[in-house]
Amino acid sequence: KAGVTQTPRYLIKTRGQQVTLSCSPISGHRSVSWYQQTPGQGLQFLFEYFSETQRNKGNFPGRFSGRQFSNSRSEMNVSTLELGDSALYLCASSAQNTGELFFGEGSRLTVL
Amino acid sequence: AQRVTQPEKLLSVFKGAPVELKCNYSYSGSPELFWYVQYSRQRLQLLLRHISRESIKGFTADLNKGETSFHLKKPFAQEEDSAMYYCALSGDSSASKIIFGSGTRLSIRP
Repeated sequence: KAGVTQTPRYLIKTRGQQVTLSCSPISGHRSVSWYQQTPGQGLQFLFEYFSETQRNKGNFPGRFSGRQFSNSRSEMNVSTLELGDSALYLCASSAQNTGELFFGEGSRLTVL
Repeated sequence: AQRVTQPEKLLSVFKGAPVELKCNYSYSGSPELFWYVQYSRQRLQLLLRHISRESIKGFTADLNKGETSFHLKKPFAQEEDSAMYYCALSGDSSASKIIFGSGTRLSIRP
C-alpha cells in the first residue's frame, strides 16, 4: 500500500500570498487530518475531514481552510500568508475509528 | 478542553539505563492515549496506544487516570531509541481529533 503523499514537499512564498497544499491518503482511508509543526509549538491540530465534511477544527484563524474530495484527497489553503505561518504542514490519514494516524512527510512552507 | 503536557523538551540517558518520558493530560472524560515516535529522517508513526496494553520495542505505558498521566517507560535504553517522542490524546469515540504534546527529544548516549 502506498503511504500518505503530500505535495509540494518544499515551497517558498512571500507575505500576503496564498498557498495550497495537497494530501493523498492511504487507499481506503476516509479521514484526513492536518497539523502544523513548528520547533516552538510542536504539533498543532488544524482540522480533520471525513467523507468530504470537516469534522473537527483547531484554533487557527480563518485564513487556514481545507477541503476533502470524493476520492478522500484533501487540500489545505492558507491565505494572506504571514511570517509566522512558516512551518512543516503534516497530513495524516486514518481508517475510521482506529485512532492510528499515518503521516505523510510534510510540506515545508517558508514565508519571506 | 483537551491538553497534553510533556514537561521535558530533551531527555538524555546512557545506553542501558532506564528511560521514562513523562506525559500528563487534561480531559474531563475518558480519553484514549497514544505515543508517537519520529526517528531521524522518518515519518511520524504510532508507537503504542493504551488500549492495546502492548510492549513495543521494549516500551510500555500505563494510563493512570488518578494522576492523569501516561508516562512511557523502557527498562534498558538502546541507541536506536534516540528519537522525538510525542504523547497524544483523543477525547472522542471516533478518535477523529487527536491532540499532541510538544514532544520530548530522547538522546541515548553510548
